[in-house]
Amino acid sequence: EIVLTQSPATLSVSPGERASVSCRASQSISDNLAWYQQKPGQAPSLLIFRASIRVTGVPPRFSGSGSGTEFTLTISSLQSEDFAVYYCQQFHNWPPALTFGGGTRVDLK
Amino acid sequence: EVKLVESGGGLVQPGGSLRLSCAAAGFDFEDYAMHWVRQIPGKGLEWVSGITWNSDIKGYVDSVKGRFTISRDNAKNSVDLQMNSLRAEDTALYYCVRPRVAGASQTFFDYWGLGVLVIVSS
Repeated sequence: EIVLTQSPATLSVSPGERASVSCRASQSISDNLAWYQQKPGQAPSLLIFRASIRVTGVPPRFSGSGSGTEFTLTISSLQSEDFAVYYCQQFHNWPPALTFGGGTRVDLK
Repeated sequence: EVKLVESGGGLVQPGGSLRLSCAAAGFDFEDYAMHWVRQIPGKGLEWVSGITWNSDIKGYVDSVKGRFTISRDNAKNSVDLQMNSLRAEDTALYYCVRPRVAGASQTFFDYWGLGVLVIVSS
């Protein structure tokens, strides 16, 4: 099983600041990683796939980087609507398995 | 418009069974693998199970292997999750999810249902 470890668990940021979320895989997953945003009471929303490709309509302040075992989601200048929980997900070994990271809550400092 | 509508959740005693169903619409269902993801309220996401477009491969998270069975009916545009020997730790909101890409290993999700709540408690 591929384990994804996200850090930090909580990130306290002021609006306008930069936020970086890390996702580490227990083995190499190439660029087979996606990032999601989840707001309270909502299903997750896909932000980035293949580690760095932004979904159409996602603001350019969101960027993804990395390959192999180390990945980063960066929000260049946090807006109020960006306070949410962020998850990484690997799809390197589907089929037959997928895994999510434990999540990172980005909240207001 | 893509729609995924889950049903079948509820309260069940430990050791009991439930069958979740997901009705899909708005896309060529038979072209896509389908998956179930769960979330304990206030906690993180956990992939539970997935099934390829033609049902030839079914995958499960280790914690549900031997207890849960995923199946699909392409004629009815539906995917089910039969959950047996339920435990308290299976209590969660269960989402039916569709990958962005049809028929491929590039499995990341762009459509989620609203979810159905399963509570396992005596």
